[in-house]
Amino acid sequence: DTAVSQTPKYLVTQMGNDKSIKCEQNLGHDTMYWYKQDSKKFLKIMFSYNNKELIINETVPNRFSPKSPDKAHLNLHINSLELGDSAVYFCASSTSAGAGETQYFGPGTRLLVL
Amino acid sequence: LAKTTQPISMDSYEGQEVNITCSHNNIATNDYITWYQQFPSQGPRFIIQGYKTKVTNEVASLFIPADRKSSTLSLPRVSLSDTAVYYCLVGDPLSIGGGADGLTFGKGTHLIIQP
Repeated sequence: DTAVSQTPKYLVTQMGNDKSIKCEQNLGHDTMYWYKQDSKKFLKIMFSYNNKELIINETVPNRFSPKSPDKAHLNLHINSLELGDSAVYFCASSTSAGAGETQYFGPGTRLLVL
Repeated sequence: LAKTTQPISMDSYEGQEVNITCSHNNIATNDYITWYQQFPSQGPRFIIQGYKTKVTNEVASLFIPADRKSSTLSLPRVSLSDTAVYYCLVGDPLSIGGGADGLTFGKGTHLIIQP
């Protein structure tokens, strides 16, 4: 069983569309994250949720809205997609929200905005 | 801002020992040092974590000097499959939502192993 899974794996869409990426972890972790890795391979934190509560929101446009229906799921909804949103989005989870906690990453969702 | 500085890239050959150093001059008392490995088209994967002195597991060793302002990831007898990007992070495991600095991976070190 995959510990951290994301769907879809690939997403190609037009500018202006709204899309969602889903993430699920079966590790029983309390904390989940969304990261963005751009074409230059810079991997940057976007959001962090602990027990369904938002604890980190890193200067991300409000077109990005995370939602955590329960501790095992953290979805990312993106409105009005722009060319610059093209990147690989990684979901991760950890036992707790401490910044030094070991994180377990999903396989990534490759988003291409045309 | 990332709390760490690493070389952008390194080259080595199969069978060699590779050492990648990370600088973290402003490491806090409660911060741990964690290294991740990322292969192309995959998410980062935990390699090793330490607080001080030396830590060793089945994959790597981590050397941390007394002042903790740097750390060195040591990969023994590398193979072609060790070609990947290696990230160094520092953060406090007990600092809930302790800020994005400890979650900033930066660009990492691209290690290329040649035959």
